[in-house]
Amino acid sequence: QSALTQPPSASGSPGQSVTISCTGTSSDVGAYNYVSWYQQHPGKAPKLMIYEVNKRPSGVPNRFSGSKSGNTASLTVSGLQAEDEADYYCNSYAGSNNLVFGGGTKLTVL
Amino acid sequence: QVQLVQSGAEVKKPGASVKVSCKASGYTFTSYYMYWVRQAPGQGLEWMGVINPSGESTTYAQKFEGRVTMTRDTSTSTLYMELSSLRSEDTAVYYCARDSTVANTFSFNYWGQGTLVTVSS
Repeated sequence: QSALTQPPSASGSPGQSVTISCTGTSSDVGAYNYVSWYQQHPGKAPKLMIYEVNKRPSGVPNRFSGSKSGNTASLTVSGLQAEDEADYYCNSYAGSNNLVFGGGTKLTVL
Repeated sequence: QVQLVQSGAEVKKPGASVKVSCKASGYTFTSYYMYWVRQAPGQGLEWMGVINPSGESTTYAQKFEGRVTMTRDTSTSTLYMELSSLRSEDTAVYYCARDSTVANTFSFNYWGQGTLVTVSS
C-alpha cells in the first residue's frame, strides 16, 4: 500500500484554527471509517488524538476534531496553543488487516 | 494502569536478526490486538504488522513479509517482534502498541517507550 498523503507542514497563530489533511484512496480512507490521528512531540512516543474518524479518546481536549469526506480525512485543531506544536500523523485501515500511515505534518504555532 | 515496557536498545550487524520484547501490564493481555510500528531517524511512522489477541493470527505489512515474525506469550503477557536479515535501512525506533478497544479499531492508544535498533557494520 502507498502511504497516505499529508502536507509536510502547517502553521497557525495561538488561538487560531488549523486543519491538516490526509488523502488516501477508495481502498483505504474512502472505504473505511477507521482513520486515526496521532500527535508526536520530539523524542516521545505518539499519542492518539482521534480514532474512527471523529472520536476523541478520554483526556484529549475537544479542541481536536476529525472528519472525513470521500478519500480525504482531516484533523482540525481549534484555539491553537503552544503545546500543540508537534508532528501529526494519520493512519487508515486498508482492508485485510492492513494499515497505512501518512507521511506526517509538522505543525508550527507561530 | 496500562503499561507497555519494551526491551533495551540493540546494535546489530547487517544480516543479523533482532528480537524486541514488549511486556504488558494493567489490562487483560488476551483481549486486545497488538501492533508494531517503527520510525527511522527523522522519518515518519511505518506500520509493520498486527497480532490477534490469542496470538494465533498475524498480518504483516507486505514490505516485511518473510523477514518479520510477531509472537505473544500469554503466560508472561509479553509480545515479541523478530526482524531478520537486517540492513542499515532497518535502523529505527521500534514501538509496540495496543488497540484502543477490544473491538479492534485499528488505532493505538497505548504505546511502549520504543526500542532503538541500530544496524551497523
